[in-house]
Amino acid sequence: QVQLVQSGAEVKKPGASVKVSCKASGYTFTGYYMHWVRQAPGQGLEWMGWINPNSGGTNYAQKFQGWVTMTRDTSISTAYMELSRLRSDDTAVYYCARERAVVGATAEYYFDYWGQGTLVTVSS
Amino acid sequence: SYELTQPPSVSVSPGQTARITCSGDALPKKYAYWYQQKSGQAPVLVIYEDSKRPSGIPERFSGSSSGTMATLTISGAQVEDEADYYCYSTDSSGNHTGVFGGGTKLTVL
Repeated sequence: QVQLVQSGAEVKKPGASVKVSCKASGYTFTGYYMHWVRQAPGQGLEWMGWINPNSGGTNYAQKFQGWVTMTRDTSISTAYMELSRLRSDDTAVYYCARERAVVGATAEYYFDYWGQGTLVTVSS
Repeated sequence: SYELTQPPSVSVSPGQTARITCSGDALPKKYAYWYQQKSGQAPVLVIYEDSKRPSGIPERFSGSSSGTMATLTISGAQVEDEADYYCYSTDSSGNHTGVFGGGTKLTVL
């Protein structure tokens, strides 16, 4: 069965970086885009971007450009999301989510599997 | 940047019909997807491609879209449907760029 297992909670100081991992199993890792979504405490879901595990290509939400880096290691079926220059308002749960493309439609997709979420706390 | 707008809250009594709207300029050309999120849990897809229901999602959940507005309808809402609901769509750039609506808290009591 498909599983996305994320790394554990992190506590970071302002200005530091954090790297969250998402290990995929139960399917061909390179066959599906992986997205990252975050949720600040008591707030809504925020789409951050995606990585194509096959090519390594990425697309980041405008807000996160220059600030987030998404990578992958196909040898261990793992995607990574690194956020730099952390601020207190980056405190959030970060999710990875597998993209399921809509057949016959351009750039249409939904998220069929989600990781369990990783809480990143930024505090001095 | 592209935005999707949802009402912050909707409240119904058990057995009533709940309707949650999502408006966005690209919705005439793009599908809307709906996710349910209960407290402390990851989101779950309840509607895809405007109106399709994934397996395992109760029939009381339905979706529709007309013009710039998509609607999630829960017919005969149950107490267990109380959750946050988010619409999701992509912009018209063709780059796979996505956006969530701000979310709607559904209260059933």
